[in-house]
Amino acid sequence: DTAVSQTPKYLVTQMGNDKSIKCEQNLGHDTMYWYKQDSKKFLKIMFSYNNKELIINETVPNRFSPKSPDKAHLNLHINSLELGDSAVYFCASSSNTAPEAFFGQGTRLTVV
Amino acid sequence: AQSVTQPDIHITVSEGASLELRCNYSYGATPYLFWYVQSPGQGLQLLLKYFSGDTLVQGIKGFEAEFKRSQSSFNLRKPSVHWSDAAEYFCAVVPTGGGNKLTFGTGTQLKVEL
Repeated sequence: DTAVSQTPKYLVTQMGNDKSIKCEQNLGHDTMYWYKQDSKKFLKIMFSYNNKELIINETVPNRFSPKSPDKAHLNLHINSLELGDSAVYFCASSSNTAPEAFFGQGTRLTVV
Repeated sequence: AQSVTQPDIHITVSEGASLELRCNYSYGATPYLFWYVQSPGQGLQLLLKYFSGDTLVQGIKGFEAEFKRSQSSFNLRKPSVHWSDAAEYFCAVVPTGGGNKLTFGTGTQLKVEL
């Protein structure tokens, strides 16, 4: 009965590869997010979707492409992975009527 | 510029001692305020939140936070720290002007000495 779940939890891949991270929420929330946590633990928003519509797109390389097939899912596809993409990626969701966000367990991406 | 500041990068306390983690924000209007905790290798868990009303809010795990408008602060407190409280603590805000963009402070790492 996990509220926000993301897969995989760990991802190790070589430079230049393409990978995807999946996220699902069963909270009935309208908004979903991707956050990146760097090696210094700093958390920065990357994208936000509301009812499958992109509403926040921070300064992120266009190698990163989010996709929301429905409001319960938000996937992140990364092309041509670089060493600097190594980080922990968190998915989160929130309701339109309450701004607190609920987070998944994170995906630790390591690019070698 | 809008910002959230956590002045303390690291804090070490003895088990059983009291704890206060500082958070200051710089926004035109008081934003929605949150504290999250991240245990090692884990996701972020919401400890407590402030939207309006009573300036002292209670959260989970025995934590509380006090909103002080005059100081633009939202400090987190716990009367007696347990070893299991060792974690990274993040203050976060959402502007009240619309949208749900959650912006985090840089975090405070709490170590608990036994």
